[in-house]
Amino acid sequence: KQEVTQIPAALSVPEGENLVLNCSFTDSAIYNLQWFRQDPGKGLTSLLLIQSSQREQTSGRLNASLDKSSGRSTLYIAASQPGDSATYLCAVSPASQSGTYKYIFGTGTRLKVLA
Amino acid sequence: ETGVTQTPRHLVMGMTNKKSLKCEQHLGHNAMYWYKQSAKKPLELMFVYSLEERVENNSVPSRFSPECPNSSHLFLHLHTLQPEDSALYLCASSQDISRGAYEQYFGPGTRLTVT
Repeated sequence: KQEVTQIPAALSVPEGENLVLNCSFTDSAIYNLQWFRQDPGKGLTSLLLIQSSQREQTSGRLNASLDKSSGRSTLYIAASQPGDSATYLCAVSPASQSGTYKYIFGTGTRLKVLA
Repeated sequence: ETGVTQTPRHLVMGMTNKKSLKCEQHLGHNAMYWYKQSAKKPLELMFVYSLEERVENNSVPSRFSPECPNSSHLFLHLHTLQPEDSALYLCASSQDISRGAYEQYFGPGTRLTVT
């Protein structure tokens, strides 16, 4: 059964720091991996989606990498800003022929960027 | 209105009440999802509808009853809930559930408290 773990559970950094959020998964048979952002009491916003054949994706100050064989992904945030404060979730979709829409989520990393 | 909307945003109900959560998507998608997010637990997929047909019921208790009258609207009917059902209920939609077309877009959620 696929399990997704995110470490650390919470992180507090001063503004301007570069930081790395980690996501690990137990079954490497995935179709893709997606990083989301969730603001308190709000829904999820998609940040980056990496297909299983890709190694990384970039969007602005965000870079997500994927090492499928080792079951790991990292989200790198450059020059962090207070507006980056949120919970970051990663989710994997299974590689099965049917059911690739069944995302399995981690519990998230709660990030606070201090001004 | 754009994206995925959910009403109400907050709901407090007693264990004997009956209430409904509503979700509407304005993206022209064919698939809709209900998720439950409890404190310190990963998002749990509850139900999936594709073209108004339920394709997934993830062992959800019968006190939760979904309804999808058309591809733009999704309801979650609630009755005889338990305090442990208190959570954030998130709705999402995707183009459909086939491979490559299931990037999900989330609504802001309904915060449900059962007293």
